[in-house]
Amino acid sequence: AQSVSQHNHHVILSEAASLELGCNYSYGGTVNLFWYVQYPGQHLQLLLKYFSGDPLVKGIKGFEAEFIKSKFSFNLRKPSVQWSDTAEYFCAVIITGGGNKLTFGTGTQLKVEL
Amino acid sequence: SAVISQKPSRDICQRGTSLTIQCQVDSQVTMMFWYRQQPGQSLTLIATANQGSEATYESGFVIDKFPISRPNLTFSTLTVSNMSPEDSSIYLCSVEASKGNEQYFGPGTRLTVT
Repeated sequence: AQSVSQHNHHVILSEAASLELGCNYSYGGTVNLFWYVQYPGQHLQLLLKYFSGDPLVKGIKGFEAEFIKSKFSFNLRKPSVQWSDTAEYFCAVIITGGGNKLTFGTGTQLKVEL
Repeated sequence: SAVISQKPSRDICQRGTSLTIQCQVDSQVTMMFWYRQQPGQSLTLIATANQGSEATYESGFVIDKFPISRPNLTFSTLTVSNMSPEDSSIYLCSVEASKGNEQYFGPGTRLTVT
């Protein structure tokens, strides 16, 4: 069965710092990759997704992620974080043709300090 | 995107009782999903619910414990039966977007079993 690993469980950054959250998955076939974000008191929201094509995908609020197939990775980045980016971030994977089952990572709690 | 509501938003229940959680979507969708997020853990898929057919349960989840109904294309219920404190979790429903594999999530139901 596929699994998703997020290496950082808690990250604390100052405003304007750069962010990179790691995500690795364990499946050798074709996958769709997602980053979801949950702001305090809000629903899970889709931040960005990768299905095919350009491995560098851009999402909302200045976030981007790069799919590196050889490393089974899909790391999330943002050049300059803001206080409003404080949230929990989840990486998730769907195996294409595998019944649309989303497998989530354990999540990373990001706190951005002023 | 779809707008998803869940009822109740939270509940405190006694062990041995059952709770039915409702999920309502503002548009017709084929696939609905139920997830569980236990304290400090990631989201785990319980089952996939398609209208007009039996729900498909993931390993570790059974119909007797988590019966699901899907009477139409905009509504589903999940019942947590014969509850124990280990069932204390957030339960979320999601729907698949009309295009692609991305999913939209409801606000969740926070269940505490005493």
